Amino acid sequence: TQLLEQSPQFLSIQEGENLTVYCNSSSVFSSLQWYRQEPGEGPVLLVTVVTGGEVKKLKRLTFQFGDARKDSSLHITAAQPGDTGLYLCAGALSYNTDKLIFGTGTRLQVFP
Amino acid sequence: KAGVTQTPRYLIKTRGQQVTLSCSPISGHRSVSWYQQTPGQGLQFLFEYFSETQRNKGNFPGRFSGRQFSNSRSEMNVSTLELGDSALYLCASSPGRTSGSNEQFFGPGTRLTVL
Repeated sequence: TQLLEQSPQFLSIQEGENLTVYCNSSSVFSSLQWYRQEPGEGPVLLVTVVTGGEVKKLKRLTFQFGDARKDSSLHITAAQPGDTGLYLCAGALSYNTDKLIFGTGTRLQVFP
Repeated sequence: KAGVTQTPRYLIKTRGQQVTLSCSPISGHRSVSWYQQTPGQGLQFLFEYFSETQRNKGNFPGRFSGRQFSNSRSEMNVSTLELGDSALYLCASSPGRTSGSNEQFFGPGTRLTVL
């Protein structure tokens, strides 16, 4: 059973466009992380959100945690080729474990 | 601060063999988790160790095992390798229960190919 559904699976856009990636679940998470992964490398942590309704900004990236802590979104403004990669959301069901449930991933390609 | 290191980076084995992968967490981190990443299944949780104790285990057969040492370094072992075990094996470390945010930091992974 896939607890975290991510959409879209693939996204191919031109430099300068905006995009939003969604991460949805029927489960409540104690925290949710977003990672970006390059081919052949491990995921790199972008942000962690822990409070329902929380919004965090990282330069051109805006992350939001749903009020009920069941969903999250990642919005990229004015995408650049350097944003290309696999974006993964991952949720923890409890503070007492580091076990993460990963989303299916969104593969983003930004063309110059 | 040095990041999470994993050795070896690449490994080629044949069916039926066994393999041991190693992970050194970030200095001061006490929790180590292992994940398997494949194109079809994505990232799946294998197990989690904290202070040398397995705290959680994913839905994998008993051929997959792990351990953690007193210096927080961890190893995972896969016995009787199958073709389907070919994957990128990722190790992640975190400070442990005191972090309060479940943040984890991943190593570069070990690419295992089973022929």
